[in-house]
Amino acid sequence: KNQVEQSPQSLIILEGKNCTLQCNYTVSPFSNLRWYKQDTGRGPVSLTIMTFSENTKSNGRYTATLDADTKQSSLHITASQLSDSASYICVVSDSGGGADGLTFGKGTHLIIQP
Amino acid sequence: DARVTQTPRDKVTEMGQEVTMRCQPILGHNTVFWYRQTMMQGLELLAYFRNRAPLDDSGMPKDRFSAEMPDATLATLKIQPSEPRDSAVYFCASGLDYQPQHFGDGTRLSIL
Repeated sequence: KNQVEQSPQSLIILEGKNCTLQCNYTVSPFSNLRWYKQDTGRGPVSLTIMTFSENTKSNGRYTATLDADTKQSSLHITASQLSDSASYICVVSDSGGGADGLTFGKGTHLIIQP
Repeated sequence: DARVTQTPRDKVTEMGQEVTMRCQPILGHNTVFWYRQTMMQGLELLAYFRNRAPLDDSGMPKDRFSAEMPDATLATLKIQPSEPRDSAVYFCASGLDYQPQHFGDGTRLSIL
């Protein structure tokens, strides 16, 4: 069964610090991996999407990495801001070509303290 | 910016009542999704459409849930009769080729 595990479940850091969120998956065959940011009371917003051949992708202060061999991804946030407080969800797609081929992680809840 | 629009934002009703949630996907997107989000389960796929045709609704209890897409600008999710365990946030998303690229802000449903 395809699974996506995210860690930590929650994280509190001080404003200005860096942090790294982890995503481990067992989805096979792999197609792509996407990170979403979900603010409280809002829908998820896509941050990055990576395919098998990509191992790093940046979006401003967010940098996602992918190791397809170990089936791990990380999302690194640099110089955190209060607005980074949100849940971050990792979603992995298999290559089956259907929406039911997406496996969602349960997310990491990040709190940035001033 | 193009957005997925969901209505209503919040809905509180009593058990047994019919609930209808509406979604306006982004024009040009060929896939529309309905998801349910709870603290325990996270995001779960309920149903999705490609080019307005329903492709999979195996994620929802068919005796009470129904999803339709009467035209390209409207998708609906109905629950009849509603039960307290249906309380959750329901998201609509749209995208190209089975990827939920844009989500709406959800309907927060509470069944008393």
